[in-house]
Amino acid sequence: AQTVTQSQPEMSVQEAETVTLSCTYDTSESNYYLFWYKQPPSRQMILVIRQEAYKQQNATENRFSVNFQKAAKSFSLKISDSQLGDTAMYFCAFIGYGGATNKLIFGTGTLLAVQP
Amino acid sequence: GAVVSQHPSRVICKSGTSVKIECRSLDFQATTMFWYRQFPKKSLMLMATSNEGSKATYEQGVEKDKFLINHASLTLSTLTVTSAHPEDSSFYICSASDSRHGYTFGSGTRLTVV
Repeated sequence: AQTVTQSQPEMSVQEAETVTLSCTYDTSESNYYLFWYKQPPSRQMILVIRQEAYKQQNATENRFSVNFQKAAKSFSLKISDSQLGDTAMYFCAFIGYGGATNKLIFGTGTLLAVQP
Repeated sequence: GAVVSQHPSRVICKSGTSVKIECRSLDFQATTMFWYRQFPKKSLMLMATSNEGSKATYEQGVEKDKFLINHASLTLSTLTVTSAHPEDSSFYICSASDSRHGYTFGSGTRLTVV
């Protein structure tokens, strides 16, 4: 069974600094996607970044980048130049396409607080 | 971009009554829709997956008769919480997916049963 683990329930960072959120996953599938979603206090789920497993290059979206280590099954999110609006719950998510799983599996989330 | 509209955003109902939550994909046809439940400061728990015109597939532990899901068209899915009880109070989120847009989430519904 696929699992997604986020070992940091809460994190804090000063405005303008960099923070890295950790995520590990377990799967036997070879084809899959990984995502980071942001859920601000409004509770709207917002896609931050996605990574296809077959791509070796790490995905980047403006201030957000990932460190995808396929062999280690690790998928961390780096937020550079943190802004107050980055304060949110962040969920790592997995979806497999090679097997029976075609639904998003979420980690437990990391609550990030950006301090002024 | 893809937009999913979810209504109502908040609802309060009396114990024993039923409440319906709608999820609409506004600018694309969703091949699959998903319903999640989320407790405060917790992750999203998948309740069921629905495909247009077929019965929903419920996750283990989710009562089919309590949480009725109807996916009548490629743009509309509904979740009906029947005979609601206070323990059903929660935040419910839908998600719609297609091959082009991936997964798009609604803004959620906060249900309070009194």
